Amino acid sequence: DTGVSQDPRHKITKRGQNVTFRCDPISEHNRLYWYRQTLGQGPEFLTYFQNEAQLEKSRLLSDRFSAERPKGSFSTLEIQRTEQGDSAMYLCASSLSLTDTQYFGPGTRLTVL
Amino acid sequence: KQEVTQIPAALSVPEGENLVLNCSFTDSAIYNLQWFRQDPGKGLTSLLLIQSSQREQTSGRLNASLDKSSGRSTLYIAASQPGDSATYLCAVTGSNFGNEKLTFGTGTRLTIIP
Repeated sequence: DTGVSQDPRHKITKRGQNVTFRCDPISEHNRLYWYRQTLGQGPEFLTYFQNEAQLEKSRLLSDRFSAERPKGSFSTLEIQRTEQGDSAMYLCASSLSLTDTQYFGPGTRLTVL
Repeated sequence: KQEVTQIPAALSVPEGENLVLNCSFTDSAIYNLQWFRQDPGKGLTSLLLIQSSQREQTSGRLNASLDKSSGRSTLYIAASQPGDSATYLCAVTGSNFGNEKLTFGTGTRLTIIP
């Protein structure tokens, strides 16, 4: 399967802990996106990369959140000092160009206790 | 700020019926519009992508239309099946370079009754 993969699929953590998620895009895709989805809502944009450059960050991405895409391949999203409000599904997507479909991974479900 | 609305929030129809899902957006300056399907607890599956210059796209039993000037799109599902039960999301991208993020609606939860 050459789709978008995310790891882990589920993460349970205690408030105040740091967590890191990984996304592996489709291999030839140079664009990579992170979204967050809470129950009953549509996904909300967090940030996106073109190759290794982070081109846009949402105001939802507080200073506790950081994302990287070293070498323009996989990406990581780190949340420091997690809060209960961070509980959500974190979705990663990739695409080949602006005119291309964004292909989504299965998501990482984060629960902060 | 772009806002996307989907009505109804939930819909139940008997198997075999044709149905239409609606999506509206406030800023007509879009680059493209996508329809996605999401099963409970899962990621999104792309169904159809319509570029802003296009009026419609078809894939199997699905047909999506776009009226950019009025800020509306519809997803038509023919001969519905129980396997079509899912949440359907529409999303748009902005038209200016670099504004590539998808802005999503809250979805329509579709249930097909056998």
